Amino acid sequence: DGGITQSPKYLFRKEGQNVTLSCEQNLNHDAMYWYRQDPGQGLRLIYYSQIVNDFQKGDIAEGYSVSREKKESFPLTVTSAQKNPTAFYLCASSPLGEDRNTEAFFGQGTRLTVV
Amino acid sequence: DQQVKQNSPSLSVQEGRISILNCDYTNSMFDYFLWYKKYPAEGPTFLISISSIKDKNEDGRFTVFLNKSAKHLSLHIVPSQPGDSAVYFCAASLYAGNMLTFGGGTRLMVKP
Repeated sequence: DGGITQSPKYLFRKEGQNVTLSCEQNLNHDAMYWYRQDPGQGLRLIYYSQIVNDFQKGDIAEGYSVSREKKESFPLTVTSAQKNPTAFYLCASSPLGEDRNTEAFFGQGTRLTVV
Repeated sequence: DQQVKQNSPSLSVQEGRISILNCDYTNSMFDYFLWYKKYPAEGPTFLISISSIKDKNEDGRFTVFLNKSAKHLSLHIVPSQPGDSAVYFCAASLYAGNMLTFGGGTRLMVKP
């Protein structure tokens, strides 16, 4: 089945550690995104990528890093520089091209907790 | 500064009645608008969308209305069902690309 997969579903990190969240899609989508959701709040864009080996900062990129070595994969690293990393992280993908107006598809999310 | 706002954090509706969720935006360059539904600890799922060239789009029980002059869109759910209880996010994208800007969400509770 086509879809977008995030792993793990739950992740615990000690303060000062880096941690990487996985996101894989087999929808053949060009664009991929990382969002963060905090309790009672909307989704805020961390990073996005529209093509392999290229990515752009979103609204809250500080303390995060990404890579896009393959079209299918867009891992997010939460570094020790991120002051408040505890949140629900959502990865999404969407097609690009002539039919620009199509929806983004989301993974099931990863809940990261700093202990 | 929030470009997409949902001013009602929650809404309670009786089963069978109409639910109206509202969303305002400030960026006149947005040309595509979407509504997503989200359950706790899950990713959002796409519900319905509308292009800026239209003022209404309907899909079954869901209708989205767009008022460009007021920079306002709304989602109508008729009739509301208990299974509609979830958080609803409106989102908007610019002409050049699919990067979505989300509102803060409205929690809808449909009472049996």
